[in-house]
Amino acid sequence: EVQLLESGGGLVQPGGSLRLSCAASGFAFSSHAMSWVRQAPGKGLEWVSSISINGGSAYYADSVKGRFTTSRDNTKNTLFLQMNSLRTDDTAVYYCANLAYCGGDCQFWGPGTLVTVSS
Amino acid sequence: DIQMTQSPSSLSASVGDRVTITCQASQDINNYLNWYQQKPGNAPKLLIYDASNLETGVPSRFSGSGSGTDFTFTISSLQPEDVATYYCRQYESLPYTFGQGTKLEIK
Repeated sequence: EVQLLESGGGLVQPGGSLRLSCAASGFAFSSHAMSWVRQAPGKGLEWVSSISINGGSAYYADSVKGRFTTSRDNTKNTLFLQMNSLRTDDTAVYYCANLAYCGGDCQFWGPGTLVTVSS
Repeated sequence: DIQMTQSPSSLSASVGDRVTITCQASQDINNYLNWYQQKPGNAPKLLIYDASNLETGVPSRFSGSGSGTDFTFTISSLQPEDVATYYCRQYESLPYTFGQGTKLEIK
């Protein structure tokens, strides 16, 4: 069974940091580019970042560029999102998913982890 | 960046109705378009890939069509369990972009 499971969310003060993890199982994690998507309370879906298969290239939304860093450990089938200088508008549920083209029946999402930035 | 314009933002229809949602891309996306269903508290669920292909296990009342920049998502006969918010997403190029969402309710 395919599973993506995010962890590391929680309450943090503005200016603080958090590191999210996404543990993958049941599919060839090391063969897929991976992404983070977030959804602020009551709002739509926003792509945050993507990372290449080998981790050599990462891409970011303008809203998080310079503050967030995506990495991966293919030996542990885990994706990471290091979030620094957090702002109140970073408050959202963060999902990991493999969003690059892969045909049918091969796109997977985790259940998400909530990040709340508040004083 | 490719902009995705989705309409309507909300929709109310009766059980059994045919429902249509549209998504327009700001440039040709070569049919690299997904449609998702999201229910409150859940992750998005992929329904359609490559604009018109149904994911395995998705009921056949759901369909997608279109090409180039203009795409349509249809529910042929609305069921109570279809109450959700629906999103389109282009994956022709980064940054991936989503439509604003369509909140579908039963009349």
